[in-house]
Amino acid sequence: GENVEQHPSTLSVQEGDSAVIKCTYSDSASNYFPWYKQELGKRPQLIIDIRSNVGEKKDQRIAVTLNKTAKHFSLHITETQPEDSAVYFCAASNGYQLIWGAGTKLIIKP
Amino acid sequence: EAQVTQNPRYLITVTGKKLTVTCSQNMNHEYMSWYRQDPGLGLRQIYYSMNVEVTDKGDVPEGYKVSRKEKRNFPLILESPSPNQTSLYFCASSFVGQGNTGELFFGEGSRLTVL
Repeated sequence: GENVEQHPSTLSVQEGDSAVIKCTYSDSASNYFPWYKQELGKRPQLIIDIRSNVGEKKDQRIAVTLNKTAKHFSLHITETQPEDSAVYFCAASNGYQLIWGAGTKLIIKP
Repeated sequence: EAQVTQNPRYLITVTGKKLTVTCSQNMNHEYMSWYRQDPGLGLRQIYYSMNVEVTDKGDVPEGYKVSRKEKRNFPLILESPSPNQTSLYFCASSFVGQGNTGELFFGEGSRLTVL
């Protein structure tokens, strides 16, 4: 079955710098890759997603890239702000079951 | 307001005492799912349902039951809770399309402690 690995588990960046979180997946049939953000004490919320027919997608300061050959996808956050502090989860799906990464705690240092 | 509602939000119980966590959504979503979240393990799927009367096991179904008698409700049942089921539980729902689930809408979470 599908397995998703997410790195790093913790990422600390200076405010204003960029942050990159990477995920690898094992099932080449996976075709949908969402990213969720979970603020402390809150529920996860979708921030961006990408399908396998697209290599990159951007939404303001957030972008996701997908490399199907290498079976990895990454979340890029530019010009980080304090409100970006949260846990970020990647996931992969080839149908109706999402397989999740273990999460990355992003810390924005002032 | 579109939402997924879970109850109770917090519960402390004892080993073996049956409990039910309710989940209801008002968005007419076909897909509903239960997850448990434990530190360092991310979100692990317990059960999911593609539509009324259709349920499937996720990654960690042991010790749990679900039912989907109505489209809006998807209760999670712990017949005989044990301490290893102490966790934060999330219910989520979405539309189904393009061969995948769409954006998942999560409830606020239910923190369960089994003594």
